Amino acid sequence: DVKVTQSSRYLVKRTGEKVFLECVQDMDHENMFWYRQDPGLGLRLIYFSYDVKMKEKGDIPEGYSVSREKKERFSLILESASTNQTSMYLCASSSLRREYTEAFFGQGTRLTVV
Amino acid sequence: KQEVTQIPAALSVPEGENLVLNCSFTDSAIYNLQWFRQDPGKGLTSLLLIQSSQREQTSGRLNASLDKSSGRSTLYIAASQPGDSATYLCAVREYGGSQGNLIFGKGTKLSVKP
Repeated sequence: DVKVTQSSRYLVKRTGEKVFLECVQDMDHENMFWYRQDPGLGLRLIYFSYDVKMKEKGDIPEGYSVSREKKERFSLILESASTNQTSMYLCASSSLRREYTEAFFGQGTRLTVV
Repeated sequence: KQEVTQIPAALSVPEGENLVLNCSFTDSAIYNLQWFRQDPGKGLTSLLLIQSSQREQTSGRLNASLDKSSGRSTLYIAASQPGDSATYLCAVREYGGSQGNLIFGKGTKLSVKP
């Protein structure tokens, strides 16, 4: 039973390209998050959203933007891909309604920028 | 600023051993703590969620404890199996700040030898 789905497992893009990473959740969660994961640095929050059309910057938003037009979908956009954005990208969702809620993650997208 | 630390960074044990993974956090003002498992190149799978009011949670061979006052959590794995080999991450969800954002440790890479 898949709960959080990322559109691609692997992507290879060229420097300067505009890149879209898509994430869909089927749990009616208010919160959605984008993290990147790099060896030695762990998971770092890029952006999150707590409602449709609402977004907040995380720890490393530079070079990224996001879009949340529908509750179930949260997109991460690399405006002009650079080699230092080569990474594993992870999407997550959780409910805002209760404090004691579990976060669920997608399967990850391994992005390589060449 | 909340910091989450996991020790050791890597652990290798023979099959059948019971083992403990450690997680510590600097600020006790948390909603909950969640343990995840990550297989190489994959997303995160939620293992256990401990609410701030709870002391422990159990699921099968896994038992997680939480001591908020000392800023510590442990994940106990009984009768380890080669299939338990993975990276284990803990994360805390803290009050205020980014709504529902998780602060992650860098993980413990577990290897269970047959």
